[in-house]
Amino acid sequence: GAVVSQHPSWVICKSGTSVKIECRSLDFQATTMFWYRQFPKQSLMLMATSNEGSKATYEQGVEKDKFLINHASLTLSTLTVTSAHPEDSSFYICSARDFWTGGLTEAFFGQGTRLTVV
Amino acid sequence: QKEVEQDPGPLSVPEGAIVSLNCTYSNSAFQYFMWYRQYSRKGPELLMYTYSSGNKEDGRFTAQVDKSSKYISLFIRDSQPSDSATYLCAMSAQGAQKLVFGQGTRLTINP
Repeated sequence: GAVVSQHPSWVICKSGTSVKIECRSLDFQATTMFWYRQFPKQSLMLMATSNEGSKATYEQGVEKDKFLINHASLTLSTLTVTSAHPEDSSFYICSARDFWTGGLTEAFFGQGTRLTVV
Repeated sequence: QKEVEQDPGPLSVPEGAIVSLNCTYSNSAFQYFMWYRQYSRKGPELLMYTYSSGNKEDGRFTAQVDKSSKYISLFIRDSQPSDSATYLCAMSAQGAQKLVFGQGTRLTINP
């Protein structure tokens, strides 16, 4: 299957600082990328959908000014958690789908990033 | 009612058993169906991808889609302890970007 690389796999930061998470599609062009948040023993919670070259679409209840998403190229999307607080500590996962074939492809996921804010 | 229902388990079976995992859904527009396996503290890994109805087999895994019943299944034959993980079903409609996930089923294969 296609490879989506997410970096870093874990990060610890101080409260009030910002953290950037990168998501790269290594062997395909990801027209659309998704960012999820996952709490322990729970399913994935979609935060936002980003299309290359346009603004991200955030799900209801997700603060767009706190979770900045940039999808500047067909292979890279970034999520920046600004002014992080302990309640932002979570597992963040990116996913990518290719829509260039005119249809829909399966979604591939990154390895996830465990963020701990102290 | 959730769009996709999946029994969260936990499900515990002995090694070598056949495992059946299921999801039901309410949106008849769903056309793309996926099964993912997620190990603890890792991203989901795609196991099976099916378009519309029918069966698909890959090694020890078989995915079935019954659109008339709005029901999908994943069967694991000759289950191994390494199959212990959370299994997530996901689906989307034609032209839709977002996937809708089930809650995930926690599976444990006992040696």
